[in-house]
Amino acid sequence: AQSVTQPDIHITVSEGASLELRCNYSYGATPYLFWYVQSPGQGLQLLLKYFSGDTLVQGIKGFEAEFKRSQSSFNLRKPSVHWSDAAEYFCAVGPNAGNMLTFGGGTRLMVKP
Amino acid sequence: DARVTQTPRHKVTEMGQEVTMRCQPILGHNTVFWYRQTMMQGLELLAYFRNRAPLDDSGMPKDRFSAEMPDATLATLKIQPSEPRDSAVYFCASGFASPGLETQYFGPGTRLLVL
Repeated sequence: AQSVTQPDIHITVSEGASLELRCNYSYGATPYLFWYVQSPGQGLQLLLKYFSGDTLVQGIKGFEAEFKRSQSSFNLRKPSVHWSDAAEYFCAVGPNAGNMLTFGGGTRLMVKP
Repeated sequence: DARVTQTPRHKVTEMGQEVTMRCQPILGHNTVFWYRQTMMQGLELLAYFRNRAPLDDSGMPKDRFSAEMPDATLATLKIQPSEPRDSAVYFCASGFASPGLETQYFGPGTRLLVL
């Protein structure tokens, strides 16, 4: 069965510091991978996705993620965090049996001034 | 700027009352998903439609929840009767099925509180 693990429930970084959010997945074939961001009181917004090709994927808001098959990981990175990046971040993998996504539990990012 | 819309954004109701949540998917999308988000369970898939036909509703409590797509521009999620444990944020997402997996675009959610 597919699964997604986001090991860090909460992360706090200083504004301007670099960021890496971890995502590990379990999937039997070549996965499709997604990162979503959810700001307080809002829906989930797609940051980036990986389907195939270059394993380093660029997304919106200056985020990137790298697919590492050998490590079953799809970590999200940003070189310099802004206060507006404070939100919850979800990693997702698919398709599962119903051609749907399996979401991780989320990582809540706090940004210190 | 196409987006998924959901109404109402907030709903407070009493236990036993009927609740109907509505979703307008992005024009041209042919798949619609209903999710529920709680602190304890995280994001759970309730139901999934493609071309207005229900493909999977295994995540939905059948005795009280129902989901429909009366037409391509409207999806509804109904709870009857509602219970306090149904308090959550309900998200609708839409996508366009293509070879492989569609990208899901989420609405802002309906925050439901059942007293």
